[in-house]
Amino acid sequence: QKEVEQDPGPLSVPEGAIVSLNCTYSNSAFQYFMWYRQYSRKGPELLMYTYSSGNKEDGRFTAQVDKSSKYISLFIRDSQPSDSATYLCAMRYISNFGNEKLTFGTGTRLTIIP
Amino acid sequence: NAGVTQTPKFRILKIGQSMTLQCTQDMNHNYMYWYRQDPGMGLKLIYYSVGAGITDKGEVPNGYNVSRSTTEDFPLRLELAAPSQTSVYFCASSYSSHPGGPSYEQYFGPGTRLTVT
Repeated sequence: QKEVEQDPGPLSVPEGAIVSLNCTYSNSAFQYFMWYRQYSRKGPELLMYTYSSGNKEDGRFTAQVDKSSKYISLFIRDSQPSDSATYLCAMRYISNFGNEKLTFGTGTRLTIIP
Repeated sequence: NAGVTQTPKFRILKIGQSMTLQCTQDMNHNYMYWYRQDPGMGLKLIYYSVGAGITDKGEVPNGYNVSRSTTEDFPLRLELAAPSQTSVYFCASSYSSHPGGPSYEQYFGPGTRLTVT
């Protein structure tokens, strides 16, 4: 079983729709949860970062974490064509010795249709 | 600030050739990383460095070598290129206030697309 599972899509939705992107994980040691956005032929860039269960909002983006279910989501409201990209979830834990491990999902390719 | 820069952007290698992928950051980050990204496979960590002169293996280090002689530069060397090394390679950097401890956000370069035929 992979530590992090992410539906690869592709996902196509009309402009203005609400988008829901999801990841599940199996390692309960993960403490920090991130969403990266990657435009075509570019490097990933950090979009959202959270470390607790619940919701974190930033503009049109909301990151949701449910540690009891080992499930994270990214919601995009009022989606725009400029949101078309691949979205990668990433999870991180830090050991008692201070070492860190960052594990990425495989990414979901999203297209917003004008 | 240019951030993280990578050269070349594209490269085609023949089997058995060698090459060095260059990575430079101007953010004075102490941590640097090399990842490869294959379709449907996500980002896999090849090597990382927590400071000049210190490097360590990641998840998929076989067939690669790295060095870190300066804070800014972290080149990745491919010896005896194989078709399995066809991939997109990303360099990233981050800052840690406690060397050897956890770091903050990773900033990625634009990537190098490598094809080995």
